[in-house]
Amino acid sequence: GAGVSQSPSNKVTEKGKDVELRCDPISGHTALYWYRQRLGQGLEFLIYFQGNSAPDKSGLPSDRFSAERTGESVSTLTIQRTQQEDSAVYLCASSSEGGGSTEAFFGQGTRLTVV
Amino acid sequence: AQSVAQPEDQVNVAEGNPLTVKCTYSVSGNPYLFWYVQYPNRGLQFLLKYITGDNLVKGSYGFEAEFNKSQTSFHLKKPSALVSDSALYFCAVSPLGSNDYKLSFGAGTTVTVRA
Repeated sequence: GAGVSQSPSNKVTEKGKDVELRCDPISGHTALYWYRQRLGQGLEFLIYFQGNSAPDKSGLPSDRFSAERTGESVSTLTIQRTQQEDSAVYLCASSSEGGGSTEAFFGQGTRLTVV
Repeated sequence: AQSVAQPEDQVNVAEGNPLTVKCTYSVSGNPYLFWYVQYPNRGLQFLLKYITGDNLVKGSYGFEAEFNKSQTSFHLKKPSALVSDSALYFCAVSPLGSNDYKLSFGAGTTVTVRA
């Protein structure tokens, strides 16, 4: 596709339920990032995939959070037993091979509301 | 480890006046530096980047930024601000010459341009 696509765009879930967020990066982009943005706040790094390297999971806030990426394509972020503090916009971004000199392109995000 | 600081949560300027949004960074070695903008209810958009070469880089919408290695700064500037520049601005850094291309973002600066 032309850009980074995230689905769903909005998700309302009950506390304690599991949710799965999807990111389709730009074709050919080897790097993929997940960030969390709480209302009116900055970007909180969650996880980073780069090619076939082991992902950098240092930003995941708890073991309820996990993410997978299939090769250099789709990524899913899973939140188990959701809590109200998980409510936020979850942003995915991708960038092309060439490493850190290349800007990241962001999706529109998934707005997660835990009620 | 790398980090970015945006010392001002908010910047308020009158339309037509110069706009400066401050950013300082910390990385091991030389940095790749980026500015992104987030307009209300929209995704993050890339504005400009510094990779190497001329310390003054020009980007979208009339913005420019100056890389200052001695002060480890990368301040965003616009000579004459517009009301439409009101948005949330993020500075980001990625380390040069490293296999870790993770983008680290500052907390963001909210810019309000009054008519």
